[in-house]
Amino acid sequence: EDKVVQSPLSLVVHEGDTVTLNCSYEVTNFRSLLWYKQEKKAPTFLFMLTSSGIEKKSGRLSSILDKKELFSILNITATQTGDSAIYLCARGNNNDMRFGAGTRLTVKP
Amino acid sequence: DAGVIQSPRHEVTEMGQEVTLRCKPISGHDYLFWYRQTMMRGLELLIYFNNNVPIDDSGMPEDRFSAKMPNASFSTLKIQPSEPRDSAVYFCASTRGTGGIPGELFFGEGSRLTVL
Repeated sequence: EDKVVQSPLSLVVHEGDTVTLNCSYEVTNFRSLLWYKQEKKAPTFLFMLTSSGIEKKSGRLSSILDKKELFSILNITATQTGDSAIYLCARGNNNDMRFGAGTRLTVKP
Repeated sequence: DAGVIQSPRHEVTEMGQEVTLRCKPISGHDYLFWYRQTMMRGLELLIYFNNNVPIDDSGMPEDRFSAKMPNASFSTLKIQPSEPRDSAVYFCASTRGTGGIPGELFFGEGSRLTVL
């Protein structure tokens, strides 16, 4: 089974810090890399990446994919307590969508 | 659209009982995924369907688990007999494929199962 490995597994920072979350993957027939945020309930979609080197941004969040080295990063700048959540990455191939274990981010005031 | 709808939201049952979880995907979506989430194992893919046909059920833990999708608007995940280690949150997600490839997943609110 193709693996998706996220690091770190957990991270504690203070408001205003910048964080970088990592996702590496093995996959046959890669099609997409997705990032989700999960607070108390269901995961909510953040980004879908399909091409290397093209940064996607949404407010303080940004993400980029390196298809040669098989990894992606999710950056969050000027973190806020509301960013506290589990961040999941998933890889998609021709058919399915499998997730990593997630990074639990805690942002302290 | 109401989004992906799952029921029940919570279920508490005793070991050995049959459990049926239900999912209504977003209209027009041709992919449906069932995931299980636990603290220990994270979000695991159990099975997924494309156009109501099961494509990959290799993630189904054992024969006690079964899933069906009789039509485009309904799917069930059944556990019979249930065991305490089945306790988890079960998520259903749907998406529309593009060029035969699944896109962004839309998740239901999940069904929290507790087996005593």
